[in-house]
Amino acid sequence: QVQLVESGGGLVKPGGSLRLSCAASGFSFSDSYMGWIRQAPGKGLEWVSHIGFSGSTIYYADSVKGRFTISRDNARNSLYLQMNSLRADDTAVYYCAAGRSLVYWGQGTPVTVSS
Amino acid sequence: DVVMTQSPLSLPVTLGQPASISCRSSQSLVHSDGNTYLNWFQQRPGQSPRRLIYKVSNRDSGVPDRFSGSGSGTDFTLQISRVEAEDVGVYYCMQRTHWPLTFGGGTKVEIK
Repeated sequence: QVQLVESGGGLVKPGGSLRLSCAASGFSFSDSYMGWIRQAPGKGLEWVSHIGFSGSTIYYADSVKGRFTISRDNARNSLYLQMNSLRADDTAVYYCAAGRSLVYWGQGTPVTVSS
Repeated sequence: DVVMTQSPLSLPVTLGQPASISCRSSQSLVHSDGNTYLNWFQQRPGQSPRRLIYKVSNRDSGVPDRFSGSGSGTDFTLQISRVEAEDVGVYYCMQRTHWPLTFGGGTKVEIK
């Protein structure tokens, strides 16, 4: 069955970096757009970034542009999010999701930015 | 960016009764390919979101037929014909016609 498993979250100081990973299985990863969506504590869903099939098409939310980098490795069925210059308002659970219509979701990995 | 506005914010419902959630977009969600990319998601307490409906009215596999979606252009509705206890949670609409993808603020469905 379809599985999306995120990892790499944790506690980081403001200005620090983290790299999130998402391991995918059970569907055709290389034929799927992939994305990251986040949810701050007690808040709604916020789209962060998406990447196309080969990685040549990439979109970012304005709130993370220039600080976050999305990438993928189709040979490893994996999606990544490199997060630099982290701020307190980046604190959230980060979900990876498959497709532009977010058909499948992972369980999420929490990121806390605090001194 | 397309702003998605949901109402109500909170929806107390009696078990077995219908429920309706509205979602309005700040611009038309009709894509140049003719499709309308409006989705609905359910997030039960403590769980990840789950897609229920795609392209306005198409139910995902395993979604009970008491859930239905309708609408066009900028005005959309999610209906639950008879609310069950397992339907408690927050419901979000989302558009992917225009980048960036945008979500509504969510509607919390609870049992009276």
